[in-house]
Amino acid sequence: GAVVSQHPSWVICKSGTSVKIECRSLDFQATTMFWYRQFPKQSLMLMATSNEGSKATYEQGVEKDKFLINHASLTLSTLTVTSAHPEDSSFYICSAPHLAGGYEQYFGPGTRLTVT
Amino acid sequence: LAKTTQPISMDSYEGQEVNITCSHNNIATNDYITWYQQFPSQGPRFIIQGYKTKVTNEVASLFIPADRKSSTLSLPRVSLSDTAVYYCLVVRNTGTASKLTFGTGTRLQVTL
Repeated sequence: GAVVSQHPSWVICKSGTSVKIECRSLDFQATTMFWYRQFPKQSLMLMATSNEGSKATYEQGVEKDKFLINHASLTLSTLTVTSAHPEDSSFYICSAPHLAGGYEQYFGPGTRLTVT
Repeated sequence: LAKTTQPISMDSYEGQEVNITCSHNNIATNDYITWYQQFPSQGPRFIIQGYKTKVTNEVASLFIPADRKSSTLSLPRVSLSDTAVYYCLVVRNTGTASKLTFGTGTRLQVTL
């Protein structure tokens, strides 16, 4: 099946620094990718929709200047957490639709971010 | 999109059939019902998707009554490795990539 990878799988950074997370579709192209955040024992919360060749669209309450999204190519989207704070510590997951229908999506393995 | 409601948790013994029911009273004509499975510290994995009646694949069955206001995911003969969170989602088929809205999910615990 289609594969989505994320890098890094985990990262620890100091408060105030920025962290970049990559999401790649390995064997298919994705003009759209989605970014989620998940806190322990909670459900996934959609943060933003990443669009290749155009600006990302953010969900209500998500600061676009803090969570920078760049969809550089048809197989790569990046999420940069700027000026990270301990409350940004979370599990970040990306997904990409396999086909244009969109209702079956492939998720990356997730990135565990810990801000100290 | 239709909001989904499912039990927060379920327990089962290994080898039993597990049925997880999800209600989606406000489902629309263009909406599909999709189920995902998530293990701890992993991304969700697509299990099955359906529109009406019954759909079966190698891992599960999905039963959808005629009014489509609910659906039941059936896992035959669960094993310990089926311990996970199961999410029921309603997804609109718009012809383009659709946002997925995750509810609370059902935490299934399988024991010996």
